[in-house]
Amino acid sequence: DAGVTQSPTHLIKTRGQQVTLRCSPKSGHDTVSWYQQALGQGPQFIFQYYEEEERQRGNFPDRFSGHQFPNYSSELNVNALLLGDSALYLCASSRAANRGNEQFFGPGTRLTVL
Amino acid sequence: AQSVAQPEDQVNVAEGNPLTVKCTYSVSGNPYLFWYVQYPNRGLQFLLKYITGDNLVKGSYGFEAEFNKSQTSFHLKKPSALVSDSALYFCAVRDSSGGSYIPTFGRGTSLIVHP
Repeated sequence: DAGVTQSPTHLIKTRGQQVTLRCSPKSGHDTVSWYQQALGQGPQFIFQYYEEEERQRGNFPDRFSGHQFPNYSSELNVNALLLGDSALYLCASSRAANRGNEQFFGPGTRLTVL
Repeated sequence: AQSVAQPEDQVNVAEGNPLTVKCTYSVSGNPYLFWYVQYPNRGLQFLLKYITGDNLVKGSYGFEAEFNKSQTSFHLKKPSALVSDSALYFCAVRDSSGGSYIPTFGRGTSLIVHP
């Protein structure tokens, strides 16, 4: 079992550019959540996808958008990058059936905006 | 609304001594509580969770946590710390009722175990 995988590992962009981050969930998981983790902070929830729909969204602007594919993998897109978007972006997968299910996290994508 | 607090930014303990990392929470209904660990430049790894049942929960790597409903706490403990336990620890809470599927994470506590 490969667990949750994310790509790329690191990314450097300049202000105003757009970026796409990718995530493949753990085998058997159907729900994918994205988090932003700034240095020295806990993960901040961006949004969650289930059955290819955005099920819940955190307090992030519309510049942050996502998608879930039929195979449950997911993408996070960020448009018009700002310096403040520099962070570790974490993908987490889980099974939707029970809210008590823990999330399994990928290693993250380190985004640096210059 | 749900929230979680980790009152200590950093905990220092000598190897072989017991360790405690504190967490308190607030939810409208009954809580689902989680502990995760993060090593440098890595994602979060699940340690243990409380859903229902016994207040003392045992998890990975010898860690355990005690759910205390009256004090709304879920402190992480280990009887004998290892240098390799040094990492960032996050507590998370999710309300078992209501419409949210998302856990709220604390700011994290840096555990430093000295040789």
